[in-house]
Amino acid sequence: GNSVTQMEGPVTLSEEAFLTINCTYTATGYPSLFWYVQYPGEGLQLLLKATKADDKGSNKGFEATYRKETTSFHLEKGSVQVSDSAVYFCALTTGANSKLTFGKGITLSVRP
Amino acid sequence: GAGVSQSPSNKVTEKGKDVELRCDPISGHTALYWYRQSLGQGLEFLIYFQGNSAPDKSGLPSDRFSAERTGGSVSTLTIQRTQQEDSAVYLCASSTRLAGLDTQYFGPGTRLTVL
Repeated sequence: GNSVTQMEGPVTLSEEAFLTINCTYTATGYPSLFWYVQYPGEGLQLLLKATKADDKGSNKGFEATYRKETTSFHLEKGSVQVSDSAVYFCALTTGANSKLTFGKGITLSVRP
Repeated sequence: GAGVSQSPSNKVTEKGKDVELRCDPISGHTALYWYRQSLGQGLEFLIYFQGNSAPDKSGLPSDRFSAERTGGSVSTLTIQRTQQEDSAVYLCASSTRLAGLDTQYFGPGTRLTVL
């Protein structure tokens, strides 16, 4: 079956710090990979995605590269802001129905 | 345009009662998904609709859970004889097509509390 493993949280950083959130996966078939974000009091929204090996997804200064050889999709940002404080979920889909399999999520807090 | 909407936003019920949760997907989206977000289990898939058919119900946790979709649009998730372990946020998502390339757009969720 499919599974997604995220690093344990929570993570607290100072503003302008570098961010890495690790994500690895196991999948039956060739997955598409996603990072979703849930800001406080808001719904889940797509942050970025990648659909094949070596693709890089990017949005709002965040990046993640699809690494098939290491089955990873780590999220990075060079300089975090207070407004990036949220819960981040790594996820994948395979197969025809495209249901999402999520990691447990990690809470990021950025202090001024 | 309008996003995915869900109602009610909050529902408090007593153990043993039935509840209905509603999802209005984005107009024109043929695929509709229900997920559950709970502290212990994280985000879990429940059921997938393509049009009015549900080809994947594998995530429904028990036969107390059922869902339907009518007119290729609105979907209702019904939980019968609710239990305290059913307390969670129930999320609905929709997307345009079958393929995994399409983004799933999520609603704000219904927070269910079973006393």
